[in-house]
Amino acid sequence: GQNIDQPTEMTATEGAIVQINCTYQTSGFNGLFWYQQHAGEAPTFLSYNVLDGLEEKGRFSSFLSRSKGYSYLLLKELQMKDSASYLCAVRPITGGGNKLTFGTGTQLKVEL
Amino acid sequence: DTGVSQDPRHKITKRGQNVTFRCDPISEHNRLYWYRQTLGQGPEFLTYFQNEAQLEKSRLLSDRFSAERPKGSFSTLEIQRTEQGDSAMYLCASSSSRAGDYNEQFFGPGTRLTVL
Repeated sequence: GQNIDQPTEMTATEGAIVQINCTYQTSGFNGLFWYQQHAGEAPTFLSYNVLDGLEEKGRFSSFLSRSKGYSYLLLKELQMKDSASYLCAVRPITGGGNKLTFGTGTQLKVEL
Repeated sequence: DTGVSQDPRHKITKRGQNVTFRCDPISEHNRLYWYRQTLGQGPEFLTYFQNEAQLEKSRLLSDRFSAERPKGSFSTLEIQRTEQGDSAMYLCASSSSRAGDYNEQFFGPGTRLTVL
């Protein structure tokens, strides 16, 4: 089976740095994705990790440790528009195809 | 191409009625997925197509749910005899299957279903 855990809510200050953690237990692993979802909108792709280490893309970075079943998303220089839900999703190697198993999402609130 | 589109965006129906949703994927994508999302939860996988073949269905997809992708382009999701528990956002996504790519899924805006 699949089990993905991430905090429900986080609050941070504009201009600061925030780290959103995700732990997973899956029967197979073929990559971990982070998506951003604003209220009432579709999820949009942020980052992808399949090997251990850090992937950096502008203000966003994502880290993966496969041995620990752990990932984090790091957001730097927070802006008000970063207030959204951040979804951690794992792509299992079993079952076929490219389906994603999502966590419940972390609702990030950026305050002045 | 403007991305994945879904129609309708909102649907209100009475319990027991049938509803059908449409998804048009990004044109060059051969994989298409349906997910369901309820408030405060992440999307839950329902089913997926590669071209016109339906390759996987979740146990969440009861006999009342059926999905098709007849020509390997757009897809429809039908719910028969709707129940109040079917109220949710139904998301469609598409991706390519190119080797060496992330093959990330691009999501449509969703169809919000309310069953009264």
